[in-house]
Amino acid sequence: EVQLLESGGGLVQPGGSLRLSCAASGFTFSNYAMTWVRQAPGKGLEWVASLSVRGGDTLVADSVKGRFTVSRDNSNSTVYLQMNSLRAEDTAVYYCGKAAAGWGISEWGQGTLVTVSS
Amino acid sequence: SYVLTQPPSVSVAPGKTAKITCGGKNIGSKSVHWYQQKPGQAPVLVMFYDSARPSGIPERFSGSNSGNTATLTISRVEAGDEADYYCQVWDSSSDHVVFGGGTKLTVL
Repeated sequence: EVQLLESGGGLVQPGGSLRLSCAASGFTFSNYAMTWVRQAPGKGLEWVASLSVRGGDTLVADSVKGRFTVSRDNSNSTVYLQMNSLRAEDTAVYYCGKAAAGWGISEWGQGTLVTVSS
Repeated sequence: SYVLTQPPSVSVAPGKTAKITCGGKNIGSKSVHWYQQKPGQAPVLVMFYDSARPSGIPERFSGSNSGNTATLTISRVEAGDEADYYCQVWDSSSDHVVFGGGTKLTVL
């Protein structure tokens, strides 16, 4: 059974940093691209970033470019989202997902809440 | 940037057919994926590559994509289908994943 477990969320002040982790199990992690998606309270889904199998290709949404970076550790089956210079509008539930062909997302974690507030 | 447009809401009576549209410029040339999200839960993939159903998704769910509109069709709608539905594509011109704004399906 595929499992994706996000962690690292919490309350942070504007301008602060957080690193989210997503631990994967139940599939051969190193064979799949991974994606981060967020959802602000009461809003729709917003793509944040995607990362290729080996991590050589990273794709980042314009709204977070220059502030967020995505990386992976295939030896630990974990994908990370480093979030710097956080803003109030970054407040959201952050989901990691196992990418499928065509950059769909075949499996999702349960999400971790990030709240940016003073 | 590429934009996907969905109706904010669709209502349907139980047992009837619901059609949720996703509009985008020449979307027929792209692969469309659909997600179902119930309150307080993570999204679930219900359709990929326009019309392919993941295992475990009922045959009542079907998809199509042509021209400027992709459609998710749910036949014989049940109360348990009430959820938010999102379409999604990969925009190769910008190397971005794009989501539609979502459609709230209400079962009357």
